Amino acid sequence: ETGVTQTPRHLVMGMTNKKSLKCEQHLGHNAMYWYKQSAKKPLELMFVYSLEERVENNSVPSRFSPECPNSSHLFLHLHTLQPEDSALYLCASSQVATLSTDTQYFGPGTRLTVL
Amino acid sequence: DAKTTQPTSMDCAEGRAANLPCNHSTISGNEYVYWYRQIHSQGPQYIIHGLKNNETNEMASLIITEDRKSSTLILPHATLRDTAVYYCIVRVRAGANNLFFGTGTRLTVIP
Repeated sequence: ETGVTQTPRHLVMGMTNKKSLKCEQHLGHNAMYWYKQSAKKPLELMFVYSLEERVENNSVPSRFSPECPNSSHLFLHLHTLQPEDSALYLCASSQVATLSTDTQYFGPGTRLTVL
Repeated sequence: DAKTTQPTSMDCAEGRAANLPCNHSTISGNEYVYWYRQIHSQGPQYIIHGLKNNETNEMASLIITEDRKSSTLILPHATLRDTAVYYCIVRVRAGANNLFFGTGTRLTVIP
């Protein structure tokens, strides 16, 4: 257990569905991240939040919409996804988003399949 | 961030030391070496990091060469649960806290 939980662990959705991924950290951290891991590709950073403000958005399509209501919770809202969006979506947290030597702790991920 | 080069895969006998190499010949003076691992279908797990001195913790040891162009992660007594993909990452001290994962080394611990 890393102190970062993600729900659901598995999700199957159609291209017209709307769903949300949830991440919660119990570490008292101030920064949270969304990563995408597609089959046979390296992890890709999607979004970074620091103190509930988005500080980075790596050219992610608008069909992915993040939300960070407080420093412990992070959501990824999904709508009109494509089959190529099927991947493992990982959440991470760290103490501070601007200090590169700060260790990130990852959740177990949500395995998303888009039909 | 400096690019890293790791072997694609390695095998190690259970109970023996696993030595995972990483080349980072373009590393600059303010970049740290980080190691993470990812067990199948789980999120990445932090292992260890260092700047220029060798480091040791309860999971592993990190040996960085004097010129800092390469490093080795050592798991002293590999177990079957250490089977995973191991990522070597170099990161600048200042700037956004981004992790750039490459393809890593797939370590298989054999009984």
